[in-house]
Amino acid sequence: EAGVAQSPRYKIIEKRQSVAFWCNPISGHATLYWYQQILGQGPKLLIQFQNNGVVDDSQLPKDRFSAERLKGVDSTLKIQPAKLEDSAVYLCASSLAGIAGYNEQFFGPGTRLTVL
Amino acid sequence: GNSVTQMEGPVTLSEEAFLTINCTYTATGYPSLFWYVQYPGEGLQLLLKATKADDKGSNKGFEATYRKETTSFHLEKGSVQVSDSAVYFCALNNQGGKLIFGQGTELSVKP
Repeated sequence: EAGVAQSPRYKIIEKRQSVAFWCNPISGHATLYWYQQILGQGPKLLIQFQNNGVVDDSQLPKDRFSAERLKGVDSTLKIQPAKLEDSAVYLCASSLAGIAGYNEQFFGPGTRLTVL
Repeated sequence: GNSVTQMEGPVTLSEEAFLTINCTYTATGYPSLFWYVQYPGEGLQLLLKATKADDKGSNKGFEATYRKETTSFHLEKGSVQVSDSAVYFCALNNQGGKLIFGQGTELSVKP
């Protein structure tokens, strides 16, 4: 079974530039998550999708971050404009379900973003 | 609110030593508890979990017991190997699917 795919693996940009990350979840997984992991910290949820609807985006800085999940499969996370403090690893995860009960979340390898 | 606190690292041990990584949590209700592991250059992997009080999760020689009275979920292994060197994250899930992670504990095992 293929795992969660993410691209790119690494990205370096200057502040105020924009960047986009892509995630392809495990086939059949209805729930998709984007987490931000700053160096030395645990991952923090940015946004959770159930199919193509947003379940939780309370921690997403909506003035600069946006995310979408068209057709309930792939997802993209965008930052525009980027700030120095956005330097982090962006993790995508997917699970069979995530609302009524817990299902194991499977994580992708992450995208390491460096903002200069 | 919900939160997880782990002992700070890095933790450095010799091969075959006993490992304990402390984890305590704050949550309302009855969360599920997890340990995730992140090997160098790899993504997060679920190591073990426990979904109710007094449950013991175990995998690959690692164990952790859900202690509601002390709000703890300490990770233990009787004899660590060099291949166990990684960052370990304690996490909880209290509503929906969102995971709340601790800050991680880096483990380095020397031969």
